[in-house]
Amino acid sequence: DAKTTQPNSMESNEEEPVHLPCNHSTISGTDYIHWYRQLPSQGPEYVIHGLTSNVNNRMASLAIAEDRKSSTLILHRATLRDAAVYYCILLISSGSARQLTFGSGTQLTVLP
Amino acid sequence: DAGITQSPRHKVTETGTPVTLRCHQTENHRYMYWYRQDPGHGLRLIHYSYGVKDTDKGEVSDGYSVSRSKTEDFLLTLESATSSQTSVYFCAIRDRERGYNSPLHFGNGTRLTVT
Repeated sequence: DAKTTQPNSMESNEEEPVHLPCNHSTISGTDYIHWYRQLPSQGPEYVIHGLTSNVNNRMASLAIAEDRKSSTLILHRATLRDAAVYYCILLISSGSARQLTFGSGTQLTVLP
Repeated sequence: DAGITQSPRHKVTETGTPVTLRCHQTENHRYMYWYRQDPGHGLRLIHYSYGVKDTDKGEVSDGYSVSRSKTEDFLLTLESATSSQTSVYFCAIRDRERGYNSPLHFGNGTRLTVT
């Protein structure tokens, strides 16, 4: 199974950028990189995904290394509402649901 | 919201009793999933469905069964609940027709306690 590795926790100050790293050294050429976040007492929420190129949306940016063995989720200005667990997962190209495997994620704390 | 409703939101049951959790979607998506979430384990896939009456096992399927008789409903059944099945259960849907890379959308979960 293609797996991801993330730090257990990170802290950021409010209104500063946050860079959340993810290692996925066993990624295959057509596996997509997805990021989700989970706020307390809620289900996970989709944030962003990408394959090779950097991606931007209204929530965040995703920077993917050239060799695709790592990626970084960038929150440009952290707010208190961004405090959550952030999950980096790989969605393999075969589409098998068995491979939609969540790791333990990174707990992001945003300090006022 | 992605049009996903889980019921009940909370349930307390006794060991050995059957329990059924329901996931209802209004999006007409083919793919539906059941995950459980426990401290220290993240989210783990129990079962999934890729269409009406088409289901398959995930990584932690023992002790669980599922049924999907309509596109909009995906039921998770614990035939004889055990304390190890105390958990938060999440349903998710995915619009597979949008491609292999389409994201999951999750419900708000069902907190199940087995005493």
